[in-house]
Amino acid sequence: KAGVTQTPRYLIKTRGQQVTLSCSPISGHRSVSWYQQTPGQGLQFLFEYFSETQRNKGNFPGRFSGRQFSNSRSEMNVSTLELGDSALYLCASSLEAGAKTQYFGPGTRLLVL
Amino acid sequence: GESVGLHLPTLSVQEGDNSIINCAYSNSASDYFIWYKQESGKGPQFIIDIRSNMDKRQGQRVTVLLNKTVKHLSLQIAATQPGDSAVYFCAEGEGYNFNKFYFGSGTKLNVKP
Repeated sequence: KAGVTQTPRYLIKTRGQQVTLSCSPISGHRSVSWYQQTPGQGLQFLFEYFSETQRNKGNFPGRFSGRQFSNSRSEMNVSTLELGDSALYLCASSLEAGAKTQYFGPGTRLLVL
Repeated sequence: GESVGLHLPTLSVQEGDNSIINCAYSNSASDYFIWYKQESGKGPQFIIDIRSNMDKRQGQRVTVLLNKTVKHLSLQIAATQPGDSAVYFCAEGEGYNFNKFYFGSGTKLNVKP
């Protein structure tokens, strides 16, 4: 089975721009969670989608949004980028919502200049 | 231990030696703990987990110890190999509600051949 894939792997944007990141979960997995990882903060939960519905949301501003499609693929969008948004954005998939085991993708490295 | 600021603590061990990586957690209500391994350029990989009703759990070459009294978690890696070189971080939370989990920034393990 293919693992979680994320595209693009690397991205450079400037302040004020917006960005869309994509995540394809493991085949058969219906839950997708997004995390932001920075050196000082560790992983921070952004949101979780299950059956095209946002199930949980972390403490991030409304500039961060996401969606999930009927094939369980998910996208997250960040509008009006700020320098502090530079981070590794990780997607994790699991069979069901609230499942014990999450499988992480390689992440998208976003640099905001 | 867990990171402070932008610089991860580093543990250097000789190949074949045992490694012990520590993690202090803060939430006394946490009942589920996970250790992850993250290699450069990759997403976190689940290593081993433990529930609060246990003090010790063993996997293949890894052992997790949980001391609830002092809120301390450790990961022991036996016969450390060069392939074990990575950042290791712990996560704590209640149940499988990853939206409320705290993920540490990690410790970098450097295995010298």
